[in-house]
Amino acid sequence: DVQLEQSAGEVRKPGDSLTISCQTTGYIFTTNWITWVRQVPGKGLEWMGRVQPGESYSVYSPAFQGHVTFSSDKSTSTAYLHWSSLKASDTAIYYCARLGDYFDKSGYPYDFDSWGQGTLVTVSS
Amino acid sequence: SYVVTQPPSVSVAPGQTARITCGGNNIGGKSVHWLQQKPGQVPVLVVYDDSDRPSGIPERFSGSNSGNTATLTISTVGAGDEADYYCYVWDSSGDHPCLIFGGGTKLTVL
Repeated sequence: DVQLEQSAGEVRKPGDSLTISCQTTGYIFTTNWITWVRQVPGKGLEWMGRVQPGESYSVYSPAFQGHVTFSSDKSTSTAYLHWSSLKASDTAIYYCARLGDYFDKSGYPYDFDSWGQGTLVTVSS
Repeated sequence: SYVVTQPPSVSVAPGQTARITCGGNNIGGKSVHWLQQKPGQVPVLVVYDDSDRPSGIPERFSGSNSGNTATLTISTVGAGDEADYYCYVWDSSGDHPCLIFGGGTKLTVL
């Protein structure tokens, strides 16, 4: 079974740095994109971008470009989301999700076939 | 960048049909997918490629896409369908393809 296990919730102050993780099991880590999705409590889903594990290649949504960094470690099958300087507006639940092996009519993977449980990041002074 | 618009809320009586729209410029030319998210849970795919259903999703869930509007239709709505619904598409107009979510629609069963 494919499983994504995320790190525990974090509380930080504005300006702090933070890295959260998403450890995957049950499949070959380098074969599928890992995406990150933000959800402010009570609000909608926001696609942050994706990382191609093992290739150090990431695509960022324009809304998050320059504010976060994705990375991955093939040796531990883990993806990471990093902030160098948090803002209060970063308070949200962050999900990692695997994009599965099926492609839509345009040739893009569409199936978030496995999700992490979410990591709540709280940024408050 | 591409914008996808959903109504914030839709209300329907039990047993009736709910229709949730997803608007975008010539969205009919894109593949539209729909997620259902219940409180405290991760999202679940209910419709992909405009109108196809993953295995395990009831036939009551259907979709269409034409022109500037895609629609998720849920027939014979029950209390268990109360959830947030999100449409999403891939947009290739920028330097790299980006996935765009609609703002989400809260379905309330009266």
